[in-house]
Amino acid sequence: AQSVTQLDSQVPVFEEAPVELRCNYSSSVSVYLFWYVQYPNQGLQLLLKYLSGSTLVKGINGFEAEFNKSQTSFHLRKPSVHISDTAEYFCAVSLRRGGYNKLIFGAGTRLAVHP
Amino acid sequence: NAGVTQTPKFQVLKTGQSMTLQCAQDMNHNSMYWYRQDPGMGLRLIYYSASEGTTDKGEVPNGYNVSRLNKREFSLRLESAAPSQTSVYFCASRGESTDTQYFGPGTRLTVL
Repeated sequence: AQSVTQLDSQVPVFEEAPVELRCNYSSSVSVYLFWYVQYPNQGLQLLLKYLSGSTLVKGINGFEAEFNKSQTSFHLRKPSVHISDTAEYFCAVSLRRGGYNKLIFGAGTRLAVHP
Repeated sequence: NAGVTQTPKFQVLKTGQSMTLQCAQDMNHNSMYWYRQDPGMGLRLIYYSASEGTTDKGEVPNGYNVSRLNKREFSLRLESAAPSQTSVYFCASRGESTDTQYFGPGTRLTVL
């Protein structure tokens, strides 16, 4: 069975510091990988995705992630965070079956940026 | 372009009551999904619809039914609400060309 593990449930960090949110997945087949962000009392917004090609993916708001097939990881990074980055971040894998896909989500990582 | 819309935004039910959560998308997507979000558990798939006229169970379908009314609309029904169904419900649709799911703003449901 496929699964997604986000290794940290909460990550506190000071403003302008770098941050890494970790994501590992398990799957016996090829997957697509996504990071979504959820601001308080809002829906999920796509940050970035890996479908194929370059393993370093750049997304919105200065975030990037690197797909590492050998380590089955897709960690999210930002070199300098802002207060406005405070949110919950979800890693997800997509399994393709018969022309449609299903997303499997990790439990989420709550990023708290302090001044 | 509204994207994915959901109604209502909030709802409080008593145990045993029924209700339908509405979802609509204006992106001409074939695939639509219903998820529930609970603290510490991420989002879990309840039901999905690969195309108009088809629906399939996801990870946690018990206690729910769905209807794919047309290509735009995908509703979720709770026939007899239980406190365990207290959650935030998200609808999503998938763009085939981008292979990406787009989410609505959510419905926060409390069952007393």
